[in-house]
Amino acid sequence: GEDVEQSLFLSVREGDSSVINCTYTDSSSTYLYWYKQEPGAGLQLLTYIFSNMDMKQDQRLTVLLNKKDKHLSLRIADTQTGDSAIYFCAESFNTDKLIFGTGTRLQVFP
Amino acid sequence: DGGITQSPKYLFRKEGQNVTLSCEQNLNHDAMYWYRQDPGQGLRLIYYSQIVNDFQKGDIAEGYSVSREKKESFPLTVTSAQKNPTAFYLCASSARDRGLKEQYFGPGTRLTVT
Repeated sequence: GEDVEQSLFLSVREGDSSVINCTYTDSSSTYLYWYKQEPGAGLQLLTYIFSNMDMKQDQRLTVLLNKKDKHLSLRIADTQTGDSAIYFCAESFNTDKLIFGTGTRLQVFP
Repeated sequence: DGGITQSPKYLFRKEGQNVTLSCEQNLNHDAMYWYRQDPGQGLRLIYYSQIVNDFQKGDIAEGYSVSREKKESFPLTVTSAQKNPTAFYLCASSARDRGLKEQYFGPGTRLTVT
């Protein structure tokens, strides 16, 4: 079955690292994605990882994929107040559909 | 500039009225999607279209209808049969000719039905 789960909230201090976690159930996923949604806006693709990779780094963002445990994480280094948003993970298969998680609301405080 | 536009940003309707939400893209994408987002919930897929003149129901299609007469346009009609239409509606599109299926989203339309 297709199911993607995330914790609902994360609160971090400015300058610290944030780690947002995601678990998925379908091992046939081909790509996994992280999207960011700012208040009242659409979703913005942050980064993605192919399912045969373990890690991908893109500036302050690091994606880790543990296929055995079906666990995906997004680490944001040196978190800033502008990083406050809802973060969605999503998975895709060999279809055109993406399955989205419930989203994690990241709050960054000074 | 290439992108996806949704209009209007805010929409108010009386209960019992049908309302159509606009979604246009100039990215030359084949596939387009409509999602509904409710507070504290993820995105739920309403309808999607992989090619002109064809579309498929998503997970929550009841009370909604769509058309795909042009590649760049995928309007969503929220009918009076939709029991709880107040929500944030997001349109997205993606290219079909790639293994990577990243979707690009519009800014959303917030619909309030009273």
